Amino acid sequence: AQSVAQPEDQVKVAEGNPLTVKCTYSVSGNPYLFWYVQYPNRGLQFLLKYITGDNLVKGSYGFEAEFNKSQTSFHLKKPSALVSDSALYFCAVREANTDKLIFGTGTRLQVFP
Amino acid sequence: GAGVSQSPRYKVAKRGQDVALRCDPISGHVSLFWYQQALGQGPEFLTYFQNEAQLDKSGLPSDRFFAERPEGSVSTLKIQRTQQEDSAVYLCASSLREISVETQYFGPGTRLLVL
Repeated sequence: AQSVAQPEDQVKVAEGNPLTVKCTYSVSGNPYLFWYVQYPNRGLQFLLKYITGDNLVKGSYGFEAEFNKSQTSFHLKKPSALVSDSALYFCAVREANTDKLIFGTGTRLQVFP
Repeated sequence: GAGVSQSPRYKVAKRGQDVALRCDPISGHVSLFWYQQALGQGPEFLTYFQNEAQLDKSGLPSDRFFAERPEGSVSTLKIQRTQQEDSAVYLCASSLREISVETQYFGPGTRLLVL
């Protein structure tokens, strides 16, 4: 069965510092991995995805994520955090030839000035 | 509209009442998904449509939940005889094609509160 783990409920980082939001996954086949961000009272906004190819994926708003097959991880990163990055971040996995996304429980990112 | 829209944005229902939640996907998107997001949790899959065909309804929690997409565009999620445990945000998503690599784009959600 597919699953996603986000081991940190909350991440706090100072503005201008690099940030990392962790995600590990478990699938039986090839994984398709996604990151979404959710602002208060808003739906999920797509940031980036890994399908195949280069392990470093670049996405919206300066975010990037690194796919590591041996560690079954797909951590979200940004070199320099902004206060406006404060939100709830969800990692999701979709196995090939399936329809549903399986989401993690989310990580609340707080960037302080 | 450029994105997925959902209505109503907020719904308060008395226990036992029936509710209907609407989703307008991005124009031309073949696939449509419904998810349920409980407070403090990640979204959980409810059901999936490819055009008008409901191909997967394995996530619907009970037979009180019913979804349809009769013309392959707008979809409605209906909950009959609502219970307090149905209180959640219901998210709709659409994707251009039916293959697994496609990005799902989400609407703002309908927040349902059952009293």
